[in-house]
Amino acid sequence: GESVGLHLPTLSVQEGDNSIINCAYSNSASDYFIWYKQESGKGPQFIIDIRSNMDKRQGQRVTVLLNKTVKHLSLQIAATQPGDSAVYFCAESLGQNFVFGPGTRLSVLP
Amino acid sequence: DGGITQSPKYLFRKEGQNVTLSCEQNLNHDAMYWYRQDPGQGLRLIYYSQIVNDFQKGDIAEGYSVSREKKESFPLTVTSAQKNPTAFYLCASSVLRGNQPQHFGDGTRLSIL
Repeated sequence: GESVGLHLPTLSVQEGDNSIINCAYSNSASDYFIWYKQESGKGPQFIIDIRSNMDKRQGQRVTVLLNKTVKHLSLQIAATQPGDSAVYFCAESLGQNFVFGPGTRLSVLP
Repeated sequence: DGGITQSPKYLFRKEGQNVTLSCEQNLNHDAMYWYRQDPGQGLRLIYYSQIVNDFQKGDIAEGYSVSREKKESFPLTVTSAQKNPTAFYLCASSVLRGNQPQHFGDGTRLSIL
């Protein structure tokens, strides 16, 4: 598989448990945020996004929380499944270009 | 099925050689992007295009060139001037440039022979 996950922080969770992946973003003026999932050898896949006028948004089995005070973004995955194993990274934007985080590797234990 | 197709999946470059990575989308998106992904780092923007026949340099454009002759296609050439080309290259598109999701292809892995 691709080596894009080398040297990344790793989160290991038991199958069925909830996962929380964190991201510290850099620009307090950023107004749009995305979470992506990247499996080995594949391109990033959009999971969920949130705009800065919100602090929480829910999707199917996923929730994104935005704390603008401390410039922190989190992704919560409910009832984690083996298929959730991947690298997850956040991206922030201020109108034009995105800044992407390096990601966190999620490993789901049987 | 709409999406972004990158080819080839694996590519090898010899010293002094230019290589071209293909990116095609059938999403009818105006904006297209090329990123480079290195181990343990976030994606870095190489070039982007907001409309046919127009493109702009990103953060790490040196040693790369692009063209946008058709809306669907945004090929990237890695020139011999790029001294450290080994990386995973990702093409993306979005309806417009700005605060909206970018959709990615499955990448091309470029290595040096």
